[in-house]
This record gives sequence, C-alpha cells and structure tokens, in this order.
Amino acid sequence: EAQVTQNPRYLITVTGKKLTVTCSQNMNHEYMSWYRQDPGLGLRQIYYSMNVEVTDKGDVPEGYKVSRKEKRNFPLILESPSPNQTSLYFCASSLGDRGPNEQFFGPGTRLTVL
Amino acid sequence: KQEVTQIPAALSVPEGENLVLNCSFTDSAIYNLQWFRQDPGKGLTSLLLIQSSQREQTSGRLNASLDKSSGRSTLYIAASQPGDSATYLCAVRRDRGSTLGRLYFGRGTQLTVWP
Repeated sequence: EAQVTQNPRYLITVTGKKLTVTCSQNMNHEYMSWYRQDPGLGLRQIYYSMNVEVTDKGDVPEGYKVSRKEKRNFPLILESPSPNQTSLYFCASSLGDRGPNEQFFGPGTRLTVL
Repeated sequence: KQEVTQIPAALSVPEGENLVLNCSFTDSAIYNLQWFRQDPGKGLTSLLLIQSSQREQTSGRLNASLDKSSGRSTLYIAASQPGDSATYLCAVRRDRGSTLGRLYFGRGTQLTVWP
C-alpha cells in the first residue's frame, strides 16, 4: 500500500532532550516536507526537500533540523526541544518535477514538550 | 510571500444543501492548487488537485474550479451529507523553479452538516 509513515505517533518529552521524528514514504517520491499545525495558525511548512541531499527552509525552520540521505526517509530532528514546539507535525511527499505533485500526508505526530 | 485565505472560516448547514467553499491566494504564479479534507485529530486526505493550466476538476459530488489570474478557487460540494463534516483546506504550490517544493496552506473552513 502506497503510504507515508511517521513515528512515533505520540510523544511527550521534556525541554532540552533531543528527539527525532521519522518519516518514510514507499512511493519513490522526490519531494518531501515537514509541517506543523497549530490552532489558529493552520499548517506551516518547516522544511522541504526536493531530492536526496537537497533541503531548504520553509516558513518556520527555527529549532529544527532535517536530513535527506536516502530518497525514502526524511527525519525531523529537534536538537533542544522547547515548549513552543508542542504541536501536531505532519510529513508529506509528492512525486516531483515530472508529475502533478499531488501531496500525500502521513498520519501526524502529536508532540508535547514539557 | 504567498498568502492563502479561506472563507468562510466555519459553516453549518442542513443535510442536502449545495455548498461553496472559497480559497483565495495573493500570488498568481502557482504550479497547482490542492484541496484537502481533515477530520479532527487526523491527517489530511487529498480531495482534488488542479494544475495551473486547468480550470476545474471533479470527483463525485465535489467540483473544484481555479481562476489563476484572479487568485481564486472554489470547492463545490453537491447534496451535502453529515459524513462531509470536516475541515477543508486549500494549499497552493509555488511555481518558482527551485522553490517548487514550497506549499502554502489556508487556515481552513470547518464544515458541519447536520441531519
């Protein structure tokens, strides 16, 4: 089944403790992105990647890191999480330049930073 | 910077009504526009994708139109049902070469269809 998977789905952590949220897609998509969704602010793009080893900042990159060493994986790293990073996070992927670029979303990761 | 606005923010209607949800964007240089549905606490489900060269797309009771020059898209839902209750989001993809990966979302229209 074609899908985008994220792990973990739920995470409660404490300020300053490094964490990684994984994202994987099995559709051979070139483009991958991370978003956060907050009440009243909607969905905002954190980082995106247009291919392996090609990443760029979205609207709200501060406090986050990403890497794209393989086509299928795009982990989101919070080196020193803070309470203002409590949010619902989504990973998404799309085919790339050669296709219609329909976005497919993962199920979301609800992160709470205490 | 691309700004995407959705009107209305919330809508409550009786079952059977035909609905129009609106999405507007400030920069007409878009690659495509996509409509999503989101149920509470869940992920996003793609409903319709319109390429910048297209005027509309249809899927079942849903029809989305795009007027790129005026920066508008509408999502038409025919014969609404309680199961249509959800938040509907529109997103535009930028048409700028190396920033093709940039996607901008509206804040959504929260739809409630009551029996």
